Amino acid sequence: KNQVEQSPQSLIILEGKNCTLQCNYTVSPFSNLRWYKQDTGRGPVSLTIMTFSENTKSNGRYTATLDADTKQSSLHITASQLSDSASYICVVRGGDSNYQLIWGAGTKLIIKP
Amino acid sequence: ETGVTQTPRHLVMGMTNKKSLKCEQHLGHNAMYWYKQSAKKPLELMFVYSLEERVENNSVPSRFSPECPNSSHLFLHLHTLQPEDSALYLCASSQEGPGGDREETQYFGPGTRLLVL
Repeated sequence: KNQVEQSPQSLIILEGKNCTLQCNYTVSPFSNLRWYKQDTGRGPVSLTIMTFSENTKSNGRYTATLDADTKQSSLHITASQLSDSASYICVVRGGDSNYQLIWGAGTKLIIKP
Repeated sequence: ETGVTQTPRHLVMGMTNKKSLKCEQHLGHNAMYWYKQSAKKPLELMFVYSLEERVENNSVPSRFSPECPNSSHLFLHLHTLQPEDSALYLCASSQEGPGGDREETQYFGPGTRLLVL
């Protein structure tokens, strides 16, 4: 069954600290993987997209990694800011249809001053 | 802002009411989507419209009825909903390439928070 699982479900860290969010997937065949950021009261916004051949991609203080062999991805946030408080959602495109997006449930990140 | 607007932002309705959610995209995209987001659950794709024709419907109950009058507007008509339908309803748009390739990024609206009493 095509699934995307994220951990932890929620995370609280102090401002300025680093953190890493995890995404494991069982989607096959695999097309690409995206990380979205969803602020409270807003829709998700794309942070990064990674294809099979990419294993690292950065967007400012956000760095995503992909290990296609172990079917794992991570999102590392460096020097966290209060504005990083949000839900982070991992989405994998693939499965039986190229149009299929398999969404994770997200990790809720809270940055405390 | 992402260029996708949704109204209303909040809606409370009884189980016998009829209401409609509206979505408008100002990005010139040719595909639009309705998603349901419940707490601590993954987004659930409800409907996909491409070039104003419905191309995907993931077995959504008939109490939800979509309408796409043109490529910029999308509606979700609601009637005789159940309390378990309470959720955040998100609209998104994207640009579909030749041959139906929907690899492009989806742009989301802020959602309508629906409460069914």
